Amino acid sequence: QSVVTQPPSASGTPGQRFTISCSGTSSNVGSNYVHWYQQLPGTAPKLLISRDNQRPSGVPDRFSGSKSGSSASLAISGLRSEDEADYYCSVWDDSLRGTVFGGGTQLTVL
Amino acid sequence: QVQLVESGGGVVQPGRSLRLSCAAFGFTFSDFGINWVRQAPGKGLEWVALISYDGTDQYYADSVKGRFTISRDNSKNTVYLQMNRLRGEDTAMYFCAKGDGSGSGYGIDVWGQGTTVTVSS
Repeated sequence: QSVVTQPPSASGTPGQRFTISCSGTSSNVGSNYVHWYQQLPGTAPKLLISRDNQRPSGVPDRFSGSKSGSSASLAISGLRSEDEADYYCSVWDDSLRGTVFGGGTQLTVL
Repeated sequence: QVQLVESGGGVVQPGRSLRLSCAAFGFTFSDFGINWVRQAPGKGLEWVALISYDGTDQYYADSVKGRFTISRDNSKNTVYLQMNRLRGEDTAMYFCAKGDGSGSGYGIDVWGQGTTVTVSS
């Protein structure tokens, strides 16, 4: 069980605004940058959001990140069928002295 | 373009060893930390190890500490993961992943395609 918690699954409809949460503690989310990754079936993960809310070039502006205290969120606006994937948050943990990943959220677009 | 290419995976018996390699292209390799991240079949991502830009600092997940060793050769733009005393629970796809900074505390910005390790008798 990960020290950083995400809902294991979620679903939404096309066009909907959707958020995925990533909850941690003061030793990880509360004190370090959170990063978000998208993993399409059978492929390597891809960086979506870095350092809480920075979107790398090439990532659509439909994706955004935010953080408050020890919780972070990934928001997807205008949900599309191609957004159906697994989403992971990651963060450095000062106590563990390592990176921790959330358990991942499998997003289904109905 | 930035690219990471893993190699060295395969099928190995429990208790044996395997060494993975990760060749890097398209960036100043000696400026960045490099991670190994694994994913067991049907499971989520698990961070395994990190080595700092100059190789002086290494960090490990508790699940591999004392069995795995991460190292790098900046003259060859290559990172290695020496895996000893392998167990069935080490069976996974192993990804090499570039840090977006020199060492600890940074995220990952580029991933390799992965190499598969299967531990089975």
